[in-house]
Amino acid sequence: TQLLEQSPQFLSIQEGENLTVYCNSSSVFSSLQWYRQEPGEGPVLLVTVVTGGEVKKLKRLTFQFGDARKDSSLHITAAQPGDTGLYLCAGGVGTTDSWGKLQFGAGTQVVVTP
Amino acid sequence: ETGVTQSPTHLIKTRGQQVTLRCSSQSGHNTVSWYQQALGQGPQFIFQYYREEENGRGNFPPRFSGLQFPNYSSELNVNALELDDSALYLCASTRGGAGETQYFGPGTRLLVL
Repeated sequence: TQLLEQSPQFLSIQEGENLTVYCNSSSVFSSLQWYRQEPGEGPVLLVTVVTGGEVKKLKRLTFQFGDARKDSSLHITAAQPGDTGLYLCAGGVGTTDSWGKLQFGAGTQVVVTP
Repeated sequence: ETGVTQSPTHLIKTRGQQVTLRCSSQSGHNTVSWYQQALGQGPQFIFQYYREEENGRGNFPPRFSGLQFPNYSSELNVNALELDDSALYLCASTRGGAGETQYFGPGTRLLVL
């Protein structure tokens, strides 16, 4: 059972378009991470957000953590084919002792076509 | 390349058999976590090892067990394999402590027939 709900499950867009992926939960998380996973590889960390209301930018990617620390979004501006992948959100509960024991959402598969 | 390696890359077993998967953590990392990723799902936390001791476990039965060695490499053992154990098994290493980045290996794809 995934405690983190991601939407949409699948997103197919043209190069240059914008997209937003959502991650929602009824639980409060002490931190939330976004990963991208490509076929045959493990997830690669994109960002960690820890403060409610926090916004982080990584080039064309913008990450937002909800004020109540229950939800997050990932926005990609002017998507490129290299952005294709499975985007996963993962939440940490508790404090230091729980670090690395992540709860993952089911992921959003993003396909960007040239 | 994350510096985390896993072996084997692929494995086929039959129901009831036992399997051992291996993970070499990144240099300087003393904490290894194992995850199971079924097709179309996100990774599910199995357990974590910190300095050779189990440090937390997810909702997996006792037939899933593990070890961590003095060099911080780790093994995941699964006994009495079931069809539903077919999945990608990922390990991730970190230096331990809050705020440290977790680095994932490429995974071992296990198919149980």
